[in-house]
Amino acid sequence: QKEVEQNSGPLSVPEGAIASLNCTYSDRGSQSFFWYRQYSGKSPELIMSIYSNGDKEDGRFTAQLNKASQYVSLLIRDSQPSDSATYLCAVSGGKLIFGQGTTLQVKP
Amino acid sequence: GAGVSQSPRYKVAKRGQDVALRCDPISGHVSLFWYQQALGQGPEFLTYFQNEAQLDKSGLPSDRFFAERPEGSVSTLKIQRTQQEDSAVYLCASSPRLGGYTFGSGTRLTVV
Repeated sequence: QKEVEQNSGPLSVPEGAIASLNCTYSDRGSQSFFWYRQYSGKSPELIMSIYSNGDKEDGRFTAQLNKASQYVSLLIRDSQPSDSATYLCAVSGGKLIFGQGTTLQVKP
Repeated sequence: GAGVSQSPRYKVAKRGQDVALRCDPISGHVSLFWYQQALGQGPEFLTYFQNEAQLDKSGLPSDRFFAERPEGSVSTLKIQRTQQEDSAVYLCASSPRLGGYTFGSGTRLTVV
């Protein structure tokens, strides 16, 4: 079992819809959780960090953390074609471990 | 500098050649990480420094891979006797003691 698991997708949503991206992790000692966006040929860019259970909102993005279920999610409201990218879930208990990423396609 | 700087951006190496990849982190960032990213995959952890101390090198795939950060700032990832399976993008990231990790643009290594 991989330490951080994501569905590779692609996840396809129409413009204006809510995109929901999910991630599970295996290390219960993990303390910090991140979502990165990676455009093709570019390096990962941090878009959200979350450290405690519950929701954290930043603009159109909401990160959700449930440590009991070892589950992290990212919601993107009012999805735009420019949101089309690979979204990487990353978990840290010291070193940062990434999932394989979910490819999101937002169709106009 | 304002961001994490990596050089070279692209490197083509003949099989068996040694290569050195450089990472210049954000000034003052204590932690520095190296990752390897194959096409279509997430970044895979290689090694981690806190200041000049290499705290974890469990991700280095073989003893051909070596990393150093002698003064707690610039880091170099060296790959000896490169093989085709070493072809990947090598990413460096730095972070302050607490907080998110900022990535450099990466070095794309192609072994021919």
